[in-house]
Amino acid sequence: LAKTTQPISMDSYEGQEVNITCSHNNIATNDYITWYQQFPSQGPRFIIQGYKTKVTNEVASLFIPADRKSSTLSLPRVSLSDTAVYYCLVGLISGGYNKLIFGAGTRLAVHP
Amino acid sequence: EAGVAQSPRYKIIEKRQSVAFWCNPISGHATLYWYQQILGQGPKLLIQFQNNGVVDDSQLPKDRFSAERLKGVDSTLKIQPAKLEDSAVYLCASRSKGQRDHYEQYFGPGTRLTVT
Repeated sequence: LAKTTQPISMDSYEGQEVNITCSHNNIATNDYITWYQQFPSQGPRFIIQGYKTKVTNEVASLFIPADRKSSTLSLPRVSLSDTAVYYCLVGLISGGYNKLIFGAGTRLAVHP
Repeated sequence: EAGVAQSPRYKIIEKRQSVAFWCNPISGHATLYWYQQILGQGPKLLIQFQNNGVVDDSQLPKDRFSAERLKGVDSTLKIQPAKLEDSAVYLCASRSKGQRDHYEQYFGPGTRLTVT
């Protein structure tokens, strides 16, 4: 499974756009890129997943360049409630087999 | 739709004692996972079940940890005997087989274990 590297922590202010970049130089052809969010005392929660180019949902956007060696999670207009740990994961997804390898994640602190 | 249920939410035991955690996945989800999350770290996969069969237990310390999912629904994770380094949050997650719109695992709230 490809190893991921992301910043340990980030700070932002309410209303700003936050971009968290993750590098995954050894991503394999069949690997997807997935981002999870975790609040204190809760389990991780799925945010977004993509394979290439751009994916957007009601919560975030995921930008993946053509070489797929990195990806960027974009959170538009963050609020205090977006303070959490964000995990970037890369892994093979095949049928019923879906293995996730979590790193330490990025601790995002949103300030008033 | 009800989420993944776990119990207990908190447990304090002394080292060398045994403890068991219970997980009830989302109805119909064939795949069930147990993770260990040590404070300040990301979750680490301990074991993955597909129905009642083990798919991956490569990181499960089998000398003290065991898990079962006898009827392909609920699951229990047991530690016997516990060590101080087992203090962590134990997370259960589930996923529906063949879910192709996106491959999402649904996590429970976790059980916080403190070993003294």
